[in-house]
Amino acid sequence: DTAVSQTPKYLVTQMGNDKSIKCEQNLGHDTMYWYKQDSKKFLKIMFSYNNKELIINETVPNRFSPKSPDKAHLNLHINSLELGDSAVYFCASRRREAGGELFFGEGSRLTVL
Amino acid sequence: SQKIEQNSEALNIQEGKTATLTCNYTNYSPAYLQWYRQDPGRGPVFLLLIRENEKEKRKERLKVTFDTTLKQSLFHITASQPADSATYLCALAQNNNAGNMLTFGGGTRLMVKP
Repeated sequence: DTAVSQTPKYLVTQMGNDKSIKCEQNLGHDTMYWYKQDSKKFLKIMFSYNNKELIINETVPNRFSPKSPDKAHLNLHINSLELGDSAVYFCASRRREAGGELFFGEGSRLTVL
Repeated sequence: SQKIEQNSEALNIQEGKTATLTCNYTNYSPAYLQWYRQDPGRGPVFLLLIRENEKEKRKERLKVTFDTTLKQSLFHITASQPADSATYLCALAQNNNAGNMLTFGGGTRLMVKP
């Protein structure tokens, strides 16, 4: 049973398109995240979300938006894709208690041509 | 500005030796620090947590130290094995961090040679 699952694993698309990456967790966690890992392997926080608050990293362009239909899902929508958006996007979840470990999905590799 | 720095150069060691990886931070007041392992093409996997009031934590062959005066954490793998080869990431959570967001260092790649 996969704890945090993302789809698609690979996504190749043209500049200017709009795309979504889906994420689901079956751990009963109340907080979910999106991270971006670039070609230099830096893992950067994009969003933190629970059913009460959305925390956005101020460096994230507003072309990126998280959508949460329910507590177990946090999807990532990206509008007007740019070349620099090419990266691996990781979804993660954890319990809200301080110190809780992050459980990551396997990542979604986005390539913008 | 806030920084979390790990040695970007790969660490190459011989099997059986102890690997020591470093995580330095500036302009953070971390409530706790975590270490993760990441294999190629996979998501990071949690290894250890150490809190600000703890000096050392151990788990099997792993040991983490945390020096809030030096603003540094050391991650040790004793009796290293080729299977330990991976990238190791440290992550900090700030005190009073809204959203409990963890910020990651750039990771250090460890290569253990047989």
